Amino acid sequence: NAGVTQTPKFQVLKTGQSMTLQCAQDMNHNSMYWYRQDPGMGLRLIYYSASEGTTDKGEVPNGYNVSRLNKREFSLRLESAAPSQTSVYFCASSLRIGPQHFGDGTRLSIL
Amino acid sequence: DAKTTQPPSMDCAEGRAANLPCNHSTISGNEYVYWYRQIHSQGPQYIIHGLKNNETNEMASLIITEDRKSSTLILPHSTLRDTAVYYCIVRVEGAGSYQLTFGKGTKLSVIP
Repeated sequence: NAGVTQTPKFQVLKTGQSMTLQCAQDMNHNSMYWYRQDPGMGLRLIYYSASEGTTDKGEVPNGYNVSRLNKREFSLRLESAAPSQTSVYFCASSLRIGPQHFGDGTRLSIL
Repeated sequence: DAKTTQPPSMDCAEGRAANLPCNHSTISGNEYVYWYRQIHSQGPQYIIHGLKNNETNEMASLIITEDRKSSTLILPHSTLRDTAVYYCIVRVEGAGSYQLTFGKGTKLSVIP
């Protein structure tokens, strides 16, 4: 079982470049999430999608956009990357209630 | 969601039970207790959750006190692969509650 798959695993960008982080889940979950984790800190929610066709802001949405492409896929886009967005990004998914299941993360460095 | 308090670090001898405490004295009646762990910088891994009854699965047991103000995660036979940061989270289930609030957790070191 693949669970939650994130691509790419690593990426280095220059300031001002754009990129899209991809996330797919095969557990037929309704809800999907994007978190970021900075060194020594807990995870912070960027955006979430409670169900297909809906997206909502989390705690730290500035500088990001998301797309819930279908029930399986939820992408996170950085339109103009900034050094402050250097972080590890985690995607997660869940049923309407119950635990969230996480991918292995994308390590993003912005120079 | 209620705030939790965990010790910053603990050691456990390999093969022994690891007992990780969590205080959540302001927990409300509809909040569940969740446990996750994070190994190195991998994605958080769900372990177990419960409301008021004790729970057990293939990974661990969760003991919640009768007043629900604290809980203990028990790893019955710890191995080196259990070395990780363990997070205790309390949250309301259902619509409108989506963010998991991760604190600093407890860094568990399993020692050979």
